This record gives sequence, C-alpha cells and structure tokens, in this order.
Amino acid sequence: EVQLVESGGGLVKPGGSLRLSCAASGFTFSSYSMNWVRQAPGKGLEWVSSISSSGSYIYYADSVKGRFTISRDNAKNSLYLQMNSLRAEDTAVYHCARGGGDIPFDIWGQGTMLTVSS
Amino acid sequence: SYALTQPPLVSVAPGKTARITCGGNNIGSKSVHWYQQKPGQAPVLVIYYGSDRPSGIPERFSGSNSGNTATLTISRVEAGDEADYYCQVWDNRSEHWVFGGGTKLTVL
Repeated sequence: EVQLVESGGGLVKPGGSLRLSCAASGFTFSSYSMNWVRQAPGKGLEWVSSISSSGSYIYYADSVKGRFTISRDNAKNSLYLQMNSLRAEDTAVYHCARGGGDIPFDIWGQGTMLTVSS
Repeated sequence: SYALTQPPLVSVAPGKTARITCGGNNIGSKSVHWYQQKPGQAPVLVIYYGSDRPSGIPERFSGSNSGNTATLTISRVEAGDEADYYCQVWDNRSEHWVFGGGTKLTVL
C-alpha cells in the first residue's frame, strides 16, 4: 500500500525548533519529488516547501524561507522538515505529499500537528 | 505573487450540478489540480491537469480551464460530496505552488 506517515509534531515555545519526519512506503521514494503542506486550524491549505527526487532542487514559501529546511534521505525513504525560529502563526497540521515538478500531489499523509505557544 | 480566487461557499441540492470556480490571471495557460478534503481527513486529488480524473474518482467529477477561470464540476451531487475543495497551480515565475483559498461545498 502506498503510504505516507508523518511524525514529530508537538507543542513548542515561540522561538523554538522542531523536526518533522515523513516515512514513505509502497512506492519508489527516490523517484518522486516531495512536499510539505500545512493547514492552520480552520484555515485552508498552504504550501510550505518542495524538494526534487534527488534533493537538487528545493523551494520554500516566503513565509518560511530562512527558518525552515527541507531534506530527504532516499536510503531511508524519509522526508524531513527542520523548523527553527518558530512563531505562533506556524501552528498547523503539517502534511507531507508526493508530487511536484508540475505533477499533482497524488498521495498525502494524515498530518502531524504543530502547536507554537508559550 | 500569483493568486487563486475561489468562492468561499457553494450550495447545491442533491442530484443537481455544482460548479466551483478558481480564478487566476491567465490560469488557462497553467495546469490546474483540484483536491477534495473532508473534515479530519487528508486532501484527495480529484482532478489533475485541468480535466483528468485519477482512478477511483467518479465520472461525476470533471474539470475545465480556460482564460482566467478553471472550473470543477460535480454532476448529480451526493451528500458524500460535501467537503472543502481546493484548486492548485505551479507558478513558474515565483517557483511556488499556489493553492486557492478553498470552497466549502454544502449539499442542501
């Protein structure tokens, strides 16, 4: 079964850091671009970051550029999001999704919740 | 930056046709993807490249894209279609993925 499972969410104080992980299974992870998309409570979808299959191309939303770092380990079938200098407005459910390079996001994980609060 | 505009709410009676629009500057020149999201669930791709349906998505779902408007059409609407729907494009200029603000479809 093709599956993405996120982990690593939690409660963090403003200014803190956290790393999210996304474990992929059921497909050749190294062949696909991957993405992080977040959804604040009661709000719409917001694209956060994308990384190409090899990791050579990386893109960030303006709202997280300079604070978040996307990476992947194709040997471990895993995607990561290192989040630093966290703000209250980063509070959201973070989904990983397969797709990119003008290819739609055809597989999504259920998401992991990040709460930034003092 | 590129922006996509969706109506916040579309209401339709069961068995009727729902049309959800997504407005953007010259969106007809872009590949538009549509996602359905039910409460507490992850988004699901329902239309890609403007009018293609992934396997498992009913034929009642269709899409079109021309000029400054892309449209997701749901025919013979069922109660189970009630959800939030989002359009998405890749903006080459900014190298950003862009989502519309989302449309809540309610079935009366």
